[in-house]
Amino acid sequence: NAGVTQTPKFQVLKTGQSMTLQCAQDMNHNSMYWYRQDPGMGLRLIYYSASEGTTDKGEVPNGYNVSRLNKREFSLRLESAAPSQTSVYFCASRVPGGNEQFFGPGTRLTVL
Amino acid sequence: AQKITQTQPGMFVQEKEAVTLDCTYDTSDPSYGLFWYKQPSSGEMIFLIYQGSYDQQNATEGRYSLNFQKARKSANLVISASQLGDSAMYFCAMREEGGYQKVTFGTGTKLQVIP
Repeated sequence: NAGVTQTPKFQVLKTGQSMTLQCAQDMNHNSMYWYRQDPGMGLRLIYYSASEGTTDKGEVPNGYNVSRLNKREFSLRLESAAPSQTSVYFCASRVPGGNEQFFGPGTRLTVL
Repeated sequence: AQKITQTQPGMFVQEKEAVTLDCTYDTSDPSYGLFWYKQPSSGEMIFLIYQGSYDQQNATEGRYSLNFQKARKSANLVISASQLGDSAMYFCAMREEGGYQKVTFGTGTKLQVIP
């Protein structure tokens, strides 16, 4: 089992460019999450998906869109990147009724 | 709205000593879960321990224990017999059990273990 995988690991964008962060899990989990982590702060929830075909906004959804393509994959899209979106992005998944969220290794994104 | 507060930005502890990392929370949801995660310098998030709001006993996992005081709304992490490998950021988090089960994280405490 690879657990939760994220691609890419690092990315540098120019302001206004778009990109999609990919996340996949092979644990058959229903729930998947996208977080961002800024220096000196904890993780903040961007979007959440309780199951395939459903998504909900979290604490900081502005400037992002998500797609729950199937049970395995949950992608995060930045349509027009801004310097304020420079952050480390974590994807996570959880089995229903389970306590632990399993996190991916993170994507370090810099927007110039 | 739920909120997690970690008031200790950084702490030092001597190797082999015990250390307590503070966490207080606020929620109107009667059913919730409390978590601690460890983030070493390599960046990954490692689950340490979980406490449910209705659990009568404090959670323990090896050298980690969660000192849960519901009336005070605190969920402190106690690490016994600190090791050099315990040096990391520690995050307290809370999940409401209703709705879409949003998880809220605190700002973290950086723990440094001194030989």
